[in-house]
Amino acid sequence: EVQLVESGGGLVQPGASLRLSCAVSGFSFDSYWMSWVRQAPGEGLEWVANIKQDGSEKFYMDSVKGRFTISRDNAENSLYLQMSSLRAEDTAFYYCARGGKLGAFDLWGQGTMVTVSS
Amino acid sequence: DIQMTQSPSTLSASVGDRVIITCRASQSISSWLAWYQQKPGKAPKLLIYKASSLESGVPARFSGSGSGTEFTLTISSLQPDDFATYYCQQYKSYSTFSFGPGTKVDIK
Repeated sequence: EVQLVESGGGLVQPGASLRLSCAVSGFSFDSYWMSWVRQAPGEGLEWVANIKQDGSEKFYMDSVKGRFTISRDNAENSLYLQMSSLRAEDTAFYYCARGGKLGAFDLWGQGTMVTVSS
Repeated sequence: DIQMTQSPSTLSASVGDRVIITCRASQSISSWLAWYQQKPGKAPKLLIYKASSLESGVPARFSGSGSGTEFTLTISSLQPDDFATYYCQQYKSYSTFSFGPGTKVDIK
């Protein structure tokens, strides 16, 4: 089955770190750009980061540069988001997404919730 | 950065209505635009990519048009399953993607 399954979310205090994972199955993971997209409760979608098929290029939204790191392990069919110096405004559902249709996100995971609160 | 706007923010419509949602980019994005549908508690679903290409499995009542900075999503005859929030997204460059703020389509 073609799917993306996120894990690793939870409740953390401001300033803490957290690592999200996205397990991929059912397609050739190393053929696609992959991304993280987040959605704060009751808010819209916000692109967070992109990573190229071989991991050689990575891009981030301005507010997470220097704090978040996207990575992938093509041998393990897994995508990661290492988050550090977390802030209350990072509270959101985090989705991993596949850049399939010429870059558009044609496959999404179910999301994992990250709550940053003291 | 490329900013995306959508109008209206909320749209009240009835089953069978023709619905049009507009998305504008702050600079030209050629045809690098996608439309997504999201229902409460669910992940977004791709409807349209490259401004006018229908994703596989998406009903033909959905269509997209436009290029440059102005785009539209049209639902030709609104069905009960279509009440949801719709987002546009530009993907001109992998260095920065952005979404519109969303348009909620609810029951009139």
